[in-house]
Order: sequence, then structure tokens, then C-alpha cells
Amino acid sequence: DTGVSQDPRHKITKRGQNVTFRCDPISEHNRLYWYRQTLGQGPEFLTYFQNEAQLEKSRLLSDRFSAERPKGSFSTLEIQRTEQGDSAMYLCASSLGTGDMNTEAFFGQGTRLTVV
Amino acid sequence: AQKITQTQPGMFVQEKEAVTLDCTYDTSDPSYGLFWYKQPSSGEMIFLIYQGSYDQQNATEGRYSLNFQKARKSANLVISASQLGDSAMYFCAMREGATGRRALTFGSGTRLQVQP
Repeated sequence: DTGVSQDPRHKITKRGQNVTFRCDPISEHNRLYWYRQTLGQGPEFLTYFQNEAQLEKSRLLSDRFSAERPKGSFSTLEIQRTEQGDSAMYLCASSLGTGDMNTEAFFGQGTRLTVV
Repeated sequence: AQKITQTQPGMFVQEKEAVTLDCTYDTSDPSYGLFWYKQPSSGEMIFLIYQGSYDQQNATEGRYSLNFQKARKSANLVISASQLGDSAMYFCAMREGATGRRALTFGSGTRLQVQP
């Protein structure tokens, strides 16, 4: 297994356009997370899936953001009507849902979004 | 209040020396886990070490150890025998148990530069 894969790695878009990112988690992982990281900051939690169910969404996730994980495997994150403030690195992570506190999350290399 | 505080934006260390990266946390949850991740310039977050709130001993993983002082709510990362490849951003993160959240809350990070 090659780990968590994200596509694209970089995206430049004009303000007002819609963008969609894809995340392929490690195959046996049932939990999937999206985070956003702005320059000089740590990642901030956006949303979390267990299998296909979206169990938690951050207040950071405005109504312009939507995430899906239709078959409990890959996930997509869509941003509608992008704004310059959406420019950030979008990180995906996955983990095994063992219920243990120490279950580590494995991260992808991220999608860097630039809104111009 | 910040959940995770990393007060050192940047640190320098000579190759082969030890370095301590500071992390303090804030939670009222008796069950929590503390994680350290490394983020090289490629962007991927790499898990380094974990400490559970009920663990009696400080965690160690190779050259990494965690100086866990529960009463002071600190979880400092110690890297022994620094290598040039250790140059990266380092993030402390916490998962709180009783709330059922599976997401990690990250600090703002410390940039470590190892000098030859």
C-alpha cells in the first residue's frame, strides 16, 4: 500500500470558481479526516468520516464546503465559489477505527490551493 | 484558550546534539492522548510518538522521547543525536477521549533547523 494519496497536489483557481479535491485513504482504514493548514499554522480539523458516514463537521466548514465519502473508500472535498481566504493546504488523513486513543492518523501530502 | 501551545516558533541545534521542543496543553478531559508529528518541506505529516494520559512511563521511539509532566500539562519532545534530516516543522497534537472526538487538535508548530 502506498499510503494516503491526494489529488491534485496543487491547484490554482480564480475567485468564484468551484474546486474538488480527492483523497484515497489507506485501504483498510475506515476513518477519514480532512484538515486545512494555512501558512505558519498547524492543521485545523474540518470534517471526519467513519466509513461513509460524516460524523463530525467543524464550524470552519462553511456552507460552501461539502465533503463526501460515498462508498466508504475515497473521499472528495468540494469548495464552491472559492474566496482568497480559502487559499491553504488541504490535508487528508486516515486511521483504523479501533476505538483506541492511541490510534495514529496517517496523512497524505496535501493539496495546495491558491485562489487568485 | 489555546488547546495546544507551542511557544518556540523556531529552534536551531547542532548536528549530533539533543534538542527539546516544548508543548503545553489544556483540557479538562481525564482521558486524552498526545501526539507529535514531523512535517518536512514535502508537506506530509509523519507520526513520531504518542503519550496517553494514563501512561505511567514516558514514551520513547528510537531517538524520540516524550517528557510528559501531567501536573504541568506539558509534553515536550526530546530528539537525541540530531541529524540533518531532522530539519522540519514539528507539531504537537491532542485527542480528547470523553467527548468522543476522533480529530486531532494541533499546535502552531516549531521549525527545527539542524546545523552541520
